[in-house]
Amino acid sequence: DAKTTQPPSMDCAEGRAANLPCNHSTISGNEYVYWYRQIHSQGPQYIIHGLKNNETNEMASLIITEDRKSSTLILPHATLRDTAVYYCIVRVAETSGSRLTFGEGTQLTVNP
Amino acid sequence: NAGVMQNPRHLVRRRGQEARLRCSPMKGHSHVYWYRQLPEEGLKFMVYLQKENIIDESGMPKERFSAEFPKEGPSILRIQQVVRGDSAAYFCASSPPSGITGELFFGEGSRLTVL
Repeated sequence: DAKTTQPPSMDCAEGRAANLPCNHSTISGNEYVYWYRQIHSQGPQYIIHGLKNNETNEMASLIITEDRKSSTLILPHATLRDTAVYYCIVRVAETSGSRLTFGEGTQLTVNP
Repeated sequence: NAGVMQNPRHLVRRRGQEARLRCSPMKGHSHVYWYRQLPEEGLKFMVYLQKENIIDESGMPKERFSAEFPKEGPSILRIQQVVRGDSAAYFCASSPPSGITGELFFGEGSRLTVL
């Protein structure tokens, strides 16, 4: 799986958009970009994933650059409950399943 | 539709005892993954199992740790002769047998404390 690089921490004001960057310059053509988050002491939670097109769901938007070497997770209106460690993971999405390799992630703190 | 269930949520053991952690995957899921998170550290992959088979155990310590996922019943992570360094949160995840999302569904974890 390709290696990812994320800033160790970020701050965001409540109600504002949180933009979390991720670099994955060695990504292969068949590798997807996944985002998970872990709220303190809880199990990780899936947020969104994509291959090359931008994606949006009820939680967030994922913007992937045209060369696929980086991406940005956008939480459009951050709340205090979005304070968590956010993990950007790159891997092949296989139908039979395979492990996720978590890096250090970005600690996002949403401030009132 | 119940999520991934782990028990016990908290477990206290003395050095040298055995710890057994159980994980019931989501209904219809036949793939189980175990991760360990040491205090103030990231999530580390341990083992990936399908029913009755270990697919990838590259993250499992060579000694004292074992995992199984029998045909019937939950997956079990077993730690023999626990030491203080085994104190951690152990997370289980499951995924369905088919599908293209590759999404893993995590439980709330089992927190092991070794005295």
